[in-house]
Amino acid sequence: AQKVTQAQTEISVVEKEDVTLDCVYETRDTTYYLFWYKQPPSGELVFLIRRNSFDEQNEISGRYSWNFQKSTSSFNFTITASQVVDSAVYFCALSEARTGANNLFFGTGTRLTVIP
Amino acid sequence: EPEVTQTPSHQVTQMGQEVILRCVPISNHLYFYWYRQILGQKVEFLVSFYNNEISEKSEIFDDQFSVERPDGSNFTLKIRSTKLEDSAMYFCASSVTRDTEAFFGQGTRLTVV
Repeated sequence: AQKVTQAQTEISVVEKEDVTLDCVYETRDTTYYLFWYKQPPSGELVFLIRRNSFDEQNEISGRYSWNFQKSTSSFNFTITASQVVDSAVYFCALSEARTGANNLFFGTGTRLTVIP
Repeated sequence: EPEVTQTPSHQVTQMGQEVILRCVPISNHLYFYWYRQILGQKVEFLVSFYNNEISEKSEIFDDQFSVERPDGSNFTLKIRSTKLEDSAMYFCASSVTRDTEAFFGQGTRLTVV
C-alpha cells in the first residue's frame, strides 16, 4: 500500500532563512511519481513539481530545490531565502503507474509560516 | 493559458439534499478527476474518469457519489443525499493522457448545514 509521511506539521521561519520540508514515501511499485503542491490561504492547489521514479536528479527552480533519494524513500523540498509569500501549506504526493499517474495519494501537509 | 474551471466557488446545501458540482476541464483533455479536502486535512482522491467510464475510484467514492460528462465540456460530481461530513473543498482536475500532468481547478467549497 502507498503511504506519504510529512512529519513536520508546522514550521515557522524568519524571512530570508532557508527551510526544508521533509517527505518520506512508501510504495511497492517500481514505477511511481512524486509531487509537491502548494496551497496558499486562498485554497487552490498550485503544482510545483513532478518527478518519476527513474529520475533521481535533483532539481532547482529559482529559490526552490528538490532532493529525491530512492535509498531513503525521501523527496525533500527546500526553499532558499524564504519570503512571506511562501507562507502556505505544502503537500507531498505519490502516485503509482499501476493505477495512473494522476491518482495522487497526498501527505497530510506541512504548514509553513514565514515571519517578516 | 487554458485552465480547469469549477462552479460554484462556494455552495451551501441542506443535509439530505442532492448537490451537483460542476467542472469544465481543459478542452483537449481526456482524463478527469475529482478530489476532496475536508477542512484542515489532506487532499484525497475520489475518482478518475475516461471515455465515459470510471477508471479508478477510492473507498470514499461510495454509492452516494456519481460522476458524469453530460456534454462535451462539463464534468460533474453529484452527491445524492448530502451529509454533514460531506462538507469539504472539492477539486476537479484533468489531463491529456493517463500519465501526463493533471491540472487542478480552483475548487468548490461545499458546506452542508
